[in-house]
Amino acid sequence: NAGVTQTPKFQVLKTGQSMTLQCAQDMNHEYMSWYRQDPGMGLRLIHYSVGAGITDQGEVPNGYNVSRSTTEDFPLRLLSAAPSQTSVYFCASSYHSMLTGLAGVETQYFGPGTRLLVL
Amino acid sequence: TQLLEQSPQFLSIQEGENLTVYCNSSSVFSSLQWYRQEPGEGPVLLVTVVTGGEVKKLKRLTFQFGDARKDSSLHITAAQPGDTGLYLCAGYNAGNNRKLIWGLGTSLGVNP
Repeated sequence: NAGVTQTPKFQVLKTGQSMTLQCAQDMNHEYMSWYRQDPGMGLRLIHYSVGAGITDQGEVPNGYNVSRSTTEDFPLRLLSAAPSQTSVYFCASSYHSMLTGLAGVETQYFGPGTRLLVL
Repeated sequence: TQLLEQSPQFLSIQEGENLTVYCNSSSVFSSLQWYRQEPGEGPVLLVTVVTGGEVKKLKRLTFQFGDARKDSSLHITAAQPGDTGLYLCAGYNAGNNRKLIWGLGTSLGVNP
């Protein structure tokens, strides 16, 4: 299994450009999420999904869109990039507690991250 | 409001030393997890603790969940350069198991 994969690994954008960060997992996980990681701020949840066709906002959703058309894929779209979106972005997946019956103990599997610089 | 406080924020030690990092909260958690993140990689789960007072060992790493399930500690015995990384605690709040709350992390450097 490849686990959680993310592309690209690095990206430089100009202010106002749009792009999509790709995330895929091959573990048949229901739950997928996007985080950004900034110095001094820790991991902050952007958007998450509990299954295909279902998405919801996290802690810092502004400027980002997501969709979940399949169980495997969970792309993150930046509609109009801003310097404040310079960050390292991580996609994560896990089983969903409602299905496992083990609420609160799900292991989060992270991708290797995408390093984004917005000029 | 940061519900999980990690300390220290930074730690630099020599190979062979022992260390303890802490993860504290005023809230009760149904479980706490510890992850390690190496430079350029995503976090990887080390352990999950779910019972108050629980102690788990992973080779030279010892994890403890507080009796009241409000805090946890990670103790490393005889640290090695391979232990270098960012140690993150994360917990599911007892009132909302769908939301995983993250600490800011402890950055550990072990010098040979």
